[in-house]
Amino acid sequence: QVHLQESGPGLVQPSQTLSLTCTVSGVSIISGGYYWSWIRQLPGKGLEWIAYVYYNGDTYSNPSFKNRLSMSVDTSKNQFSLHLKFVTAADSAVYYCAQYYYNNNGLEYIGFDNWGQGALVTVSS
Amino acid sequence: DIVMTQSPLSLPVTPGEPASISCRSSQSLLHSNGYNYLDWYLQKPGQSPHLLIYLTSIRASGVPDRFSGSGSGTDFTLKISRVEAEDVGIYFCMHSLRTPHTFGQGTKLEIK
Repeated sequence: QVHLQESGPGLVQPSQTLSLTCTVSGVSIISGGYYWSWIRQLPGKGLEWIAYVYYNGDTYSNPSFKNRLSMSVDTSKNQFSLHLKFVTAADSAVYYCAQYYYNNNGLEYIGFDNWGQGALVTVSS
Repeated sequence: DIVMTQSPLSLPVTPGEPASISCRSSQSLLHSNGYNYLDWYLQKPGQSPHLLIYLTSIRASGVPDRFSGSGSGTDFTLKISRVEAEDVGIYFCMHSLRTPHTFGQGTKLEIK
Protein backbone atom coordinates (compact mmCIF):
# COMPACT_ATOMS: atom_id res chain seq x y z
CA GLN A 1 0.00 0.00 0.00
CA VAL A 2 1.38 3.38 -1.05
CA HIS A 3 1.72 6.05 1.61
CA LEU A 4 2.89 9.65 1.29
CA GLN A 5 3.75 11.89 4.22
CA GLU A 6 4.56 15.59 4.12
CA SER A 7 6.98 17.18 6.56
CA GLY A 8 8.36 20.65 7.10
CA PRO A 9 7.90 23.83 9.10
CA GLY A 10 4.37 25.00 9.71
CA LEU A 11 5.40 28.65 9.91
CA VAL A 12 7.54 30.52 7.41
CA GLN A 13 8.60 34.15 7.50
CA PRO A 14 7.58 36.40 4.59
CA SER A 15 10.20 36.62 1.82
CA GLN A 16 11.83 33.39 3.02
CA THR A 17 11.81 29.96 1.37
CA LEU A 18 9.14 27.39 2.08
CA SER A 19 10.60 23.88 2.01
CA LEU A 20 8.55 20.72 2.30
CA THR A 21 9.55 17.08 1.96
CA CYS A 22 7.36 14.15 1.02
CA THR A 23 8.41 10.68 2.15
CA VAL A 24 7.04 7.88 0.01
CA SER A 25 6.56 4.29 1.13
CA GLY A 26 5.09 1.28 -0.60
CA VAL A 27 6.52 2.14 -4.01
CA SER A 28 9.96 3.10 -5.25
CA ILE A 29 10.26 6.71 -6.27
CA ILE A 30 12.25 5.59 -9.32
CA SER A 31 9.38 3.49 -10.64
CA GLY A 32 8.66 4.39 -14.24
CA GLY A 33 5.64 6.51 -15.04
CA TYR A 34 5.28 8.11 -11.62
CA TYR A 35 5.49 11.87 -11.26
CA TRP A 36 5.84 13.15 -7.73
CA SER A 37 3.61 16.12 -7.19
CA TRP A 38 2.68 19.05 -5.02
CA ILE A 39 -0.81 20.49 -4.88
CA ARG A 40 -2.02 23.16 -2.50
CA GLN A 41 -5.36 24.25 -1.12
CA LEU A 42 -5.72 27.88 -0.16
CA PRO A 43 -7.89 28.58 2.90
CA GLY A 44 -11.54 28.00 2.08
CA LYS A 45 -10.75 27.68 -1.57
CA GLY A 46 -10.05 25.18 -4.25
CA LEU A 47 -7.07 23.17 -5.34
CA GLU A 48 -4.03 24.46 -7.21
CA TRP A 49 -1.50 22.21 -8.93
CA ILE A 50 2.01 23.42 -8.19
CA ALA A 51 4.45 21.07 -9.92
CA TYR A 52 5.70 17.54 -10.28
CA VAL A 53 9.09 15.95 -10.61
CA TYR A 54 10.23 12.72 -12.22
CA TYR A 55 12.82 10.58 -10.48
CA ASN A 56 15.53 11.81 -12.88
CA GLY A 57 14.90 15.38 -11.75
CA ASP A 58 12.81 16.56 -14.71
CA THR A 59 10.40 19.12 -13.29
CA TYR A 60 7.11 20.40 -14.67
CA SER A 61 5.70 23.40 -12.88
CA ASN A 62 2.79 25.78 -12.93
CA PRO A 63 3.88 29.01 -14.65
CA SER A 64 1.96 31.00 -12.02
CA PHE A 65 4.87 30.33 -9.68
CA LYS A 66 7.28 31.83 -12.22
CA ASN A 67 10.87 31.42 -11.04
CA ARG A 68 10.11 30.92 -7.35
CA LEU A 69 9.90 27.17 -7.52
CA SER A 70 12.33 24.27 -7.46
CA MET A 71 11.96 20.59 -6.71
CA SER A 72 14.40 17.87 -5.81
CA VAL A 73 14.43 14.10 -5.48
CA ASP A 74 16.41 11.97 -3.03
CA THR A 75 16.17 8.44 -4.36
CA SER A 76 18.22 7.03 -1.47
CA LYS A 77 15.55 8.17 0.99
CA ASN A 78 12.58 7.73 -1.35
CA GLN A 79 11.73 11.39 -0.85
CA PHE A 80 11.04 14.44 -2.96
CA SER A 81 10.96 18.08 -1.94
CA LEU A 82 9.43 21.41 -2.80
CA HIS A 83 11.20 24.73 -2.38
CA LEU A 84 9.19 27.91 -2.89
CA LYS A 85 11.11 31.16 -2.60
CA PHE A 86 10.03 34.68 -1.63
CA VAL A 87 6.82 33.57 0.02
CA THR A 88 4.04 35.95 1.04
CA ALA A 89 0.87 35.54 3.05
CA ALA A 90 -0.83 34.49 -0.19
CA ASP A 91 1.21 31.27 -0.07
CA SER A 92 -0.39 30.21 3.21
CA ALA A 93 -2.18 26.97 2.42
CA VAL A 94 -2.41 23.25 3.02
CA TYR A 95 0.24 21.61 0.85
CA TYR A 96 -0.37 18.07 -0.36
CA CYS A 97 2.11 15.75 -1.96
CA ALA A 98 0.63 13.27 -4.38
CA GLN A 99 1.55 10.49 -6.76
CA TYR A 100 0.66 10.98 -10.42
CA TYR A 101 0.88 8.21 -12.97
CA TYR A 102 1.30 8.93 -16.67
CA ASN A 103 3.15 6.63 -19.05
CA ASN A 104 3.34 5.49 -22.65
CA ASN A 105 2.15 8.84 -24.04
CA GLY A 106 -0.86 8.78 -21.79
CA LEU A 107 -2.10 5.35 -22.76
CA GLU A 108 -1.24 4.32 -19.21
CA TYR A 109 -2.74 6.90 -16.92
CA ILE A 110 -4.29 7.01 -13.49
CA GLY A 111 -3.99 10.61 -12.31
CA PHE A 112 -3.33 11.66 -8.72
CA ASP A 113 -4.18 8.33 -7.15
CA ASN A 114 -2.43 8.68 -3.80
CA TRP A 115 -2.22 11.79 -1.62
CA GLY A 116 -0.54 12.68 1.63
CA GLN A 117 -2.56 13.95 4.57
CA GLY A 118 -1.48 17.54 3.90
CA ALA A 119 0.77 20.03 5.68
CA LEU A 120 -0.57 23.37 6.84
CA VAL A 121 1.89 26.17 6.12
CA THR A 122 1.35 29.69 7.38
CA VAL A 123 3.41 32.58 6.11
CA SER A 124 3.65 35.20 8.82
CA SER A 125 6.16 37.21 10.78
CA ASP B 1 -4.58 27.88 -18.91
CA ILE B 2 -7.67 25.72 -19.30
CA VAL B 3 -10.48 26.97 -17.08
CA MET B 4 -12.68 24.37 -15.42
CA THR B 5 -16.20 25.41 -14.40
CA GLN B 6 -18.42 23.26 -12.20
CA SER B 7 -22.11 23.47 -11.46
CA PRO B 8 -23.85 23.52 -9.15
CA LEU B 9 -21.49 24.73 -6.44
CA SER B 10 -23.85 23.46 -3.73
CA LEU B 11 -25.87 20.26 -4.01
CA PRO B 12 -28.26 19.19 -1.25
CA VAL B 13 -29.44 15.64 -1.85
CA THR B 14 -31.83 13.27 -0.09
CA PRO B 15 -30.26 9.86 0.66
CA GLY B 16 -31.21 7.31 -1.94
CA GLU B 17 -31.79 9.97 -4.59
CA PRO B 18 -29.52 10.51 -7.59
CA ALA B 19 -27.11 13.41 -7.96
CA SER B 20 -25.34 14.96 -10.91
CA ILE B 21 -22.46 17.42 -11.19
CA SER B 22 -21.45 19.19 -14.37
CA CYS B 23 -17.94 20.21 -15.34
CA ARG B 24 -17.09 22.28 -18.36
CA SER B 25 -13.64 23.07 -19.72
CA SER B 26 -12.66 26.16 -21.71
CA GLN B 27 -10.89 23.93 -24.25
CA SER B 28 -11.42 20.41 -25.48
CA LEU B 29 -9.81 17.76 -23.28
CA LEU B 30 -9.64 15.23 -26.10
CA HIS B 31 -6.10 13.93 -26.59
CA SER B 32 -4.83 12.63 -29.92
CA ASN B 33 -4.84 9.16 -28.36
CA GLY B 34 -8.63 9.30 -28.10
CA TYR B 35 -8.93 9.77 -24.36
CA ASN B 36 -10.53 12.75 -22.67
CA TYR B 37 -8.25 13.78 -19.81
CA LEU B 38 -10.81 14.65 -17.17
CA ASP B 39 -10.66 13.32 -13.60
CA TRP B 40 -12.93 13.60 -10.59
CA TYR B 41 -11.81 13.87 -6.97
CA LEU B 42 -13.71 13.84 -3.72
CA GLN B 43 -12.57 15.59 -0.57
CA LYS B 44 -14.49 14.29 2.40
CA PRO B 45 -14.66 16.55 5.48
CA GLY B 46 -11.31 16.74 7.23
CA GLN B 47 -9.58 14.55 4.68
CA SER B 48 -7.29 14.85 1.68
CA PRO B 49 -8.86 14.62 -1.74
CA HIS B 50 -8.95 11.18 -3.28
CA LEU B 51 -9.37 9.99 -6.83
CA LEU B 52 -12.83 8.86 -7.88
CA ILE B 53 -12.72 8.69 -11.66
CA TYR B 54 -10.03 9.18 -14.27
CA LEU B 55 -10.07 9.51 -18.04
CA THR B 56 -13.69 10.67 -17.82
CA SER B 57 -15.28 7.36 -16.93
CA ILE B 58 -12.89 4.88 -15.31
CA ARG B 59 -13.57 4.32 -11.63
CA ALA B 60 -10.51 4.29 -9.40
CA SER B 61 -9.77 1.23 -7.33
CA GLY B 62 -12.34 0.69 -4.59
CA VAL B 63 -14.83 3.29 -5.84
CA PRO B 64 -18.43 2.03 -5.65
CA ASP B 65 -20.24 1.50 -8.92
CA ARG B 66 -22.92 4.03 -7.95
CA PHE B 67 -20.39 6.61 -9.17
CA SER B 68 -20.15 7.08 -12.92
CA GLY B 69 -18.54 9.61 -15.22
CA SER B 70 -19.32 10.59 -18.76
CA GLY B 71 -18.69 13.27 -21.34
CA SER B 72 -16.36 14.32 -24.08
CA GLY B 73 -14.66 17.41 -25.43
CA THR B 74 -15.64 20.22 -23.07
CA ASP B 75 -18.69 18.85 -21.23
CA PHE B 76 -18.45 16.24 -18.50
CA THR B 77 -20.73 14.84 -15.83
CA LEU B 78 -20.31 12.93 -12.60
CA LYS B 79 -23.37 10.99 -11.50
CA ILE B 80 -24.18 9.25 -8.28
CA SER B 81 -27.04 6.81 -8.81
CA ARG B 82 -28.15 6.69 -5.18
CA VAL B 83 -26.52 9.08 -2.74
CA GLU B 84 -25.40 7.72 0.61
CA ALA B 85 -24.47 9.64 3.74
CA GLU B 86 -20.78 8.83 3.24
CA ASP B 87 -20.78 10.67 -0.11
CA VAL B 88 -20.80 14.11 1.53
CA GLY B 89 -17.88 16.33 0.71
CA ILE B 90 -16.52 18.52 -2.05
CA TYR B 91 -16.25 17.12 -5.56
CA PHE B 92 -13.61 18.55 -7.89
CA CYS B 93 -13.08 17.98 -11.56
CA MET B 94 -9.58 18.41 -12.95
CA HIS B 95 -8.11 18.34 -16.42
CA SER B 96 -4.82 16.59 -17.13
CA LEU B 97 -4.54 17.18 -20.85
CA ARG B 98 -1.38 19.20 -20.33
CA THR B 99 0.29 21.33 -17.70
CA PRO B 100 -0.74 23.31 -15.79
CA HIS B 101 -3.41 20.98 -14.52
CA THR B 102 -6.38 22.99 -13.27
CA PHE B 103 -9.29 22.13 -11.02
CA GLY B 104 -12.89 23.22 -10.95
CA GLN B 105 -14.12 25.34 -8.04
CA GLY B 106 -15.62 22.35 -6.29
CA THR B 107 -19.19 21.22 -5.66
CA LYS B 108 -20.24 20.73 -2.08
CA LEU B 109 -22.60 17.81 -1.70
CA GLU B 110 -24.61 17.73 1.50
CA ILE B 111 -27.36 15.50 2.78
CA LYS B 112 -30.81 17.02 3.19
